[in-house]
Amino acid sequence: AQSVSQHNHHVILSEAASLELGCNYSYGGTVNLFWYVQYPGQHLQLLLKYFSGDPLVKGIKGFEAEFIKSKFSFNLRKPSVQWSDTAEYFCAVKEAGGYQKVTFGTGTKLQVIP
Amino acid sequence: EAGVAQSPRYKIIEKRQSVAFWCNPISGHATLYWYQQILGQGPKLLIQFQNNGVVDDSQLPKDRFSAERLKGVDSTLKIQPAKLEDSAVYLCASSFQNYGYTFGSGTRLTVV
Repeated sequence: AQSVSQHNHHVILSEAASLELGCNYSYGGTVNLFWYVQYPGQHLQLLLKYFSGDPLVKGIKGFEAEFIKSKFSFNLRKPSVQWSDTAEYFCAVKEAGGYQKVTFGTGTKLQVIP
Repeated sequence: EAGVAQSPRYKIIEKRQSVAFWCNPISGHATLYWYQQILGQGPKLLIQFQNNGVVDDSQLPKDRFSAERLKGVDSTLKIQPAKLEDSAVYLCASSFQNYGYTFGSGTRLTVV
């Protein structure tokens, strides 16, 4: 079974700082990878996903993530964060193909200080 | 398109009582999921339906939790009897084929 590790539980940044949130997964086969965001008081929303092709994936709101197969990683990045990016971010992984379940990491709380 | 609808938004019950949550997925989404999100943790899959059949319920505590998806559309998740550790947000999600999920707003359950 796959598992997902998010090593940063709580990150505090000033506005305009660059962001990188780590995500590592354990599964030897082909995977689909996701980043979800949960703004305060709101439901989970898909930020971006990787299925195949270019390992650098661009999502909404200026976020991007890079799939590095050799490192089993799918880190989330944003060059310049805004106060409105304050939220909890979840990395998730799914075995490719079929209707396999999606496994979520424990989440990283991002607090952006104006 | 309309999102995934869940009700109620909040529920407070005493331990040993029963509770039921309802979910209406996005029209045309054959796959429906119930997740449990305990405070400070990531969502954990409880059960996955493909149309009205169960695909994965390996992490569903079947002695107290049950779920059904009659007619392959909306779904209910029931807890009977509830325990204090069941306090969590219960998320319903649906997906079309192999794409990312769309989540509902969730039901926040507090067991006292």
